[in-house]
Amino acid sequence: GENVEQHPSTLSVQEGDSAVIKCTYSDSASNYFPWYKQELGKRPQLIIDIRSNVGEKKDQRIAVTLNKTAKHFSLHITETQPEDSAVYFCAASRGSSNTGKLIFGQGTTLQVKP
Amino acid sequence: KAGVTQTPRYLIKTRGQQVTLSCSPISGHRSVSWYQQTPGQGLQFLFEYFSETQRNKGNFPGRFSGRQFSNSRSEMNVSTLELGDSALYLCASSLAASGGQETQYFGPGTRLLVL
Repeated sequence: GENVEQHPSTLSVQEGDSAVIKCTYSDSASNYFPWYKQELGKRPQLIIDIRSNVGEKKDQRIAVTLNKTAKHFSLHITETQPEDSAVYFCAASRGSSNTGKLIFGQGTTLQVKP
Repeated sequence: KAGVTQTPRYLIKTRGQQVTLSCSPISGHRSVSWYQQTPGQGLQFLFEYFSETQRNKGNFPGRFSGRQFSNSRSEMNVSTLELGDSALYLCASSLAASGGQETQYFGPGTRLLVL
C-alpha cells in the first residue's frame, strides 16, 4: 500500500547548524513530494516541493533532494534559526489521476536552540 | 485572495451524535481535500472532491462522508461519532487546472472533541 516513513521524529539543533529530515515512500508511482511546516496551533504551510523529473531544488536556506531509484527524499535546512522550530511533514502523491491525495509522513519536531 | 477558511473552528459533541464541517476554498480553486490529524496517526487523507464529485477516498469507514457544491465549497459529515473521532480536521484546496499535482493550501482546521 501507500506509505511514507519519516525520520527522525524529533530533531534538536543549535542555531546556525544544519538540519536534515529524511523520508522514504513505498508507491513507485509517486511523482510529487511536498514539504509542509506546521507551527503550534497553526495550519500546515508548504515550504518547498519537488517533482520526479528534478533531483534537487533550493529556495534560500531550504533544499530538497530526491532519489527516485531508492525512493528517498530529504529536506535540508541550513543556518537554522529559532523561527524554524516547528513540525515538518513530508508527503508523496501520484499526481495526475490522484491529484488531491497526499500521503504524509509522521512528522519531525524540529527544535532550534538559540 | 482570501485563504482557505473552515467553520466552525471548535466543536464539542457526544458519542453517537453527528457533525458537519464546512470548508471554503481559495477563490478559483476547484479541488478540496480533507485530512484528519491526530497525535497518534498524524495526517491522514479522508477524501477529495473535484467538480462536485468525489475523486479519491482514503481508508476511513462509511461514517465519514462529504460533498462539494457548485461554488466548490465542501462539507464533510461524520455520523455516529466515536471517541476516536476526536481530531483536527483540515481541508486543503488546489487549483486543479493542469491535470497534474498542484500545491494544496490548508485551512486552519476544525478541532472536534467527542465526549
